[in-house]
Amino acid sequence: DAKTTQPTSMDCAEGRAANLPCNHSTISGNEYVYWYRQIHSQGPQYIIHGLKNNETNEMASLIITEDRKSSTLILPHATLRDTAVYYCIVRVVSGTYKYIFGTGTRLKVLA
Amino acid sequence: GAGVSQSPSNKVTEKGKDVELRCDPISGHTALYWYRQSLGQGLEFLIYFQGNSAPDKSGLPSDRFSAERTGGSVSTLTIQRTQQEDSAVYLCASSLGAAEETQYFGPGTRLLVL
Repeated sequence: DAKTTQPTSMDCAEGRAANLPCNHSTISGNEYVYWYRQIHSQGPQYIIHGLKNNETNEMASLIITEDRKSSTLILPHATLRDTAVYYCIVRVVSGTYKYIFGTGTRLKVLA
Repeated sequence: GAGVSQSPSNKVTEKGKDVELRCDPISGHTALYWYRQSLGQGLEFLIYFQGNSAPDKSGLPSDRFSAERTGGSVSTLTIQRTQQEDSAVYLCASSLGAAEETQYFGPGTRLLVL
């Protein structure tokens, strides 16, 4: 099963871009990269996902390297409300569709 | 529309007692997932339902854990003879189908076993 590696924690100044890296060097060709975040005491919230191409939505951008071994989630203008644990997930497809979650990156947005 | 709901939101029980946790998925979602999150840990996959069947139970930690889904909607996760190490947040998620579909999570049930 493909695994992900993320830094344990990061700080970001309010209003600046937050760039959260993720390594997934054993990812297979038919596996997606998903990003979720979890604000304290809430369930995980979907942010964005992608396969090969870079993706953008109203919340964030996802940059995937050409070899697909790593990706970066970009929050263009971080706010205090973006303080959360961010999970990078590779979706395993082997007859099931379970997500394998790591321990995530604890992002703290500073005023 | 309504999201995934779970009940109870909090549950305190004594060691050795059985507990039932309930999940109501988003209407029309055929796939349902249970996860567990222990204090300070990431999420741990438990079981996946497609309709009423559970093709993947590989994450259930022991035979004290079981889950069912009836009518392709509500699911219950049952823990028998609870142990203190079962204390965690139990999260339920649902998706429209299984392939390429985003999972949407409920708020979780916080279980504390004394």
